[in-house]
Amino acid sequence: AQSVTQLGSHVSVSEGALVLLRCNYSSSVPPYLFWYVQYPNQGLQLLLKYTTGATLVKGINGFEAEFKKSETSFHLTKPSAHMSDAAEYFCAVSESDSWGKLQFGAGTQVVVTP
Amino acid sequence: EAQVTQNPRYLITVTGKKLTVTCSQNMNHEYMSWYRQDPGLGLRQIYYSMNVEVTDKGDVPEGYKVSRKEKRNFPLILESPSPNQTSLYFCASSKPGGSVDTQYFGPGTRLTVL
Repeated sequence: AQSVTQLGSHVSVSEGALVLLRCNYSSSVPPYLFWYVQYPNQGLQLLLKYTTGATLVKGINGFEAEFKKSETSFHLTKPSAHMSDAAEYFCAVSESDSWGKLQFGAGTQVVVTP
Repeated sequence: EAQVTQNPRYLITVTGKKLTVTCSQNMNHEYMSWYRQDPGLGLRQIYYSMNVEVTDKGDVPEGYKVSRKEKRNFPLILESPSPNQTSLYFCASSKPGGSVDTQYFGPGTRLTVL
């Protein structure tokens, strides 16, 4: 069975500072990993995904994530936070490329301060 | 415009009164899914469908039904709603194996069961 743990339900970051959101997973087979963003009163938007190949994945809005199998992690980073990055972020894992059975983490709320 | 639509967006009902939340996508996606979002729990998958007439349970299917008679539609049915089904519901669709921009979420349906 797969599961996802996001460390920190709330993260506060200064504008221009590094954004680091932590995600650890467990999976009995090679996982497919995703990060989503949810802006207030909106649905989720896919930021990036890892399936196979290069372990450093680049997504939209300047975000990237690195798949580390030895650490069972898929942390999300952005070098310089912008006010528009304030949102809730979800890590998710699936055991199939068709995103059939998708397991989400509890989410991390990001606050960006001036 | 490519989109996933849900109706209604807001619904207040009473215990035991059957209701249906509709979901429709105009992208000819094979895969569709329903989630519920609750504070501190992230999104939990209710049901998903890999194609017409192919559905499977997610993590929290109890009290819900779905059907996939047409590729574009994936309604969520609550035969006898209860207060613990008060939640924010999202429908999603995707094309398996697609690029980062091929996962779409609907705008959400906020359901209150009294």
